[in-house]
Amino acid sequence: QKEVEQDPGPLSVPEGAIVSLNCTYSNSAFQYFMWYRQYSRKGPELLMYTYSSGNKEDGRFTAQVDKSSKYISLFIRDSQPSDSATYLCAMSAGNQFYFGTGTSLTVIP
Amino acid sequence: DGGITQSPKYLFRKEGQNVTLSCEQNLNHDAMYWYRQDPGQGLRLIYYSQIVNDFQKGDIAEGYSVSREKKESFPLTVTSAQKNPTAFYLCASRAGIIYAQYFGPGTRLTVL
Repeated sequence: QKEVEQDPGPLSVPEGAIVSLNCTYSNSAFQYFMWYRQYSRKGPELLMYTYSSGNKEDGRFTAQVDKSSKYISLFIRDSQPSDSATYLCAMSAGNQFYFGTGTSLTVIP
Repeated sequence: DGGITQSPKYLFRKEGQNVTLSCEQNLNHDAMYWYRQDPGQGLRLIYYSQIVNDFQKGDIAEGYSVSREKKESFPLTVTSAQKNPTAFYLCASRAGIIYAQYFGPGTRLTVL
């Protein structure tokens, strides 16, 4: 079983839709949770960083962590064509990070 | 501007050659990491370093070597022992254990 599971998609939505991206994990020691956005042939860009359970909002993005279910989510409101990218979840408990394989998102104008 | 730089952006290697990928950061971060990214496999850890002159192997260290002589620099050498080196290589850094990683722009290595 992988440490982190993420549905690879692809996910295609119309502009303005609410997007929900999810990851599940198996290691209950994970404490720090991140979402990255990666455009093709570029390095990942940190979008959201949360510690432990709860919600965090930043503009159109909301990150949600449910440690009891070992489940994290990223919501994108009013999605834009510029949001088309691959979204990676990541988590850590110490010095190392564990990544999902990424979900490919396309927002259609 | 603070950030992480990687060079070159594209690199071509003949079989049997060693090549070195550069990673520099001016964020004053203590920890630095190297990952390999292949389609459909996500990011795999090659090596990481928490302080100068110290580094640890990741999940796929065979065929790779690193050095950490300066806080700002963490070069990765892909040796001829790495049988399938064609991939996208990403360098990252982190300020401390409670902080997230930040990534560089990546180097795409192709073996001819």
